[in-house]
Amino acid sequence: GEDVEQSLFLSVREGDSSVINCTYTDSSSTYLYWYKQEPGAGLQLLTYIFSNMDMKQDQRLTVLLNKKDKHLSLRIADTQTGDSAIYFCAERTLNTGFQKLVFGTGTRLLVSP
Amino acid sequence: DVKVTQSSRYLVKRTGEKVFLECVQDMDHENMFWYRQDPGLGLRLIYFSYDVKMKEKGDIPEGYSVSREKKERFSLILESASTNQTSMYLCASSSIWTGSYNEQFFGPGTRLTVL
Repeated sequence: GEDVEQSLFLSVREGDSSVINCTYTDSSSTYLYWYKQEPGAGLQLLTYIFSNMDMKQDQRLTVLLNKKDKHLSLRIADTQTGDSAIYFCAERTLNTGFQKLVFGTGTRLLVSP
Repeated sequence: DVKVTQSSRYLVKRTGEKVFLECVQDMDHENMFWYRQDPGLGLRLIYFSYDVKMKEKGDIPEGYSVSREKKERFSLILESASTNQTSMYLCASSSIWTGSYNEQFFGPGTRLTVL
């Protein structure tokens, strides 16, 4: 079945770059997503990438997709304390139908001053 | 401002009680979802509905049921709550149109504790 894996924890200093990694198993992915969950809140879509793209940049965020290795990463430049949150990657695949997403385990990012 | 609301932020129930979690969305979305979130396990899909009165089991439906009588409302029911159902429950909705990235919009979550 579909499986999406992430490391559980990442700690960085304010001003550094953060890189959050994700691996997935289903090669029929159509879209891949990064969601952010701030403390006490639901998830909010940060960015997404279509499966025929290698890279997408959106202000401080850079998404890299390596389809051969089934690897997705999110780079946050100039990380701020307000970026402290849990980050989930998710995929939408032909196998799961177009309506459902498969989420990873989430990576807790802690940004220290 | 688009919104998904959940009836309670925090809920404490006793083992064996019947529990109702309500979710309402104002975006006229066809799809609605119930997830549970546990540390180290991420989000796991319990049930999903793609239309009124329609439902589909997710990855962990055991011990849960759902009801969708109106398009904007999706209820999660714990028929007889157990301590292993203590968790954060998240509701989400999305449009049925598959022609774009099809964002799921999430509610703030209900933290349920079963004693």
